[in-house]
Amino acid sequence: AQRVTQPEKLLSVFKGAPVELKCNYSYSGSPELFWYVQYSRQRLQLLLRHISRESIKGFTADLNKGETSFHLKKPFAQEEDSAMYYCALKGWGKLQFGAGTQVVVTP
Amino acid sequence: EAGVAQSPRYKIIEKRQSVAFWCNPISGHATLYWYQQILGQGPKLLIQFQNNGVVDDSQLPKDRFSAERLKGVDSTLKIQPAKLEDSAVYLCASSPLEGLYEQYFGPGTRLTVT
Repeated sequence: AQRVTQPEKLLSVFKGAPVELKCNYSYSGSPELFWYVQYSRQRLQLLLRHISRESIKGFTADLNKGETSFHLKKPFAQEEDSAMYYCALKGWGKLQFGAGTQVVVTP
Repeated sequence: EAGVAQSPRYKIIEKRQSVAFWCNPISGHATLYWYQQILGQGPKLLIQFQNNGVVDDSQLPKDRFSAERLKGVDSTLKIQPAKLEDSAVYLCASSPLEGLYEQYFGPGTRLTVT
């Protein structure tokens, strides 16, 4: 069975501080991992995917197969980063989401 | 391009009543998904269509939920009869094809069953 775990329901950080959202997964095959974000009053949207190895809005995420993790990081949080973040795993054709982490960036 | 459209945006019904949700995907997108998002949880896939055929409905409670995608475009999701535990946001998403393509989500329909 595939599973995605986001251990933090809420992450509160100060503007300019680093932020790291944790995501751990269990999957027997080769995973495809994603981070989705939902800003207030907006739709759920893709933030980044591990195969792209890109930085989006200053965020990066590295797939660590040894630790089965796909943590999302940003060195300097901005107020506009306040949102709900979901880690998702694509396995056996199905996208499975974690429960999400609410990020609040305070000035 | 226009995004995924859903209606209604909000619906309140009593238990044992029926309800239907409508989704219009992005033009040209072959794959359509319905998700259920219960408060405090991530979205859970209910059903996936490729054109007008069902690819995966393993998590659809088929005794009360049904979905169709006639002509491979619009889709409707129906609940009959509704239970209290069906209270959730129902999200529709579409993508050009199944696979690595990004899924584009609609605004969702918030269902409250009283």
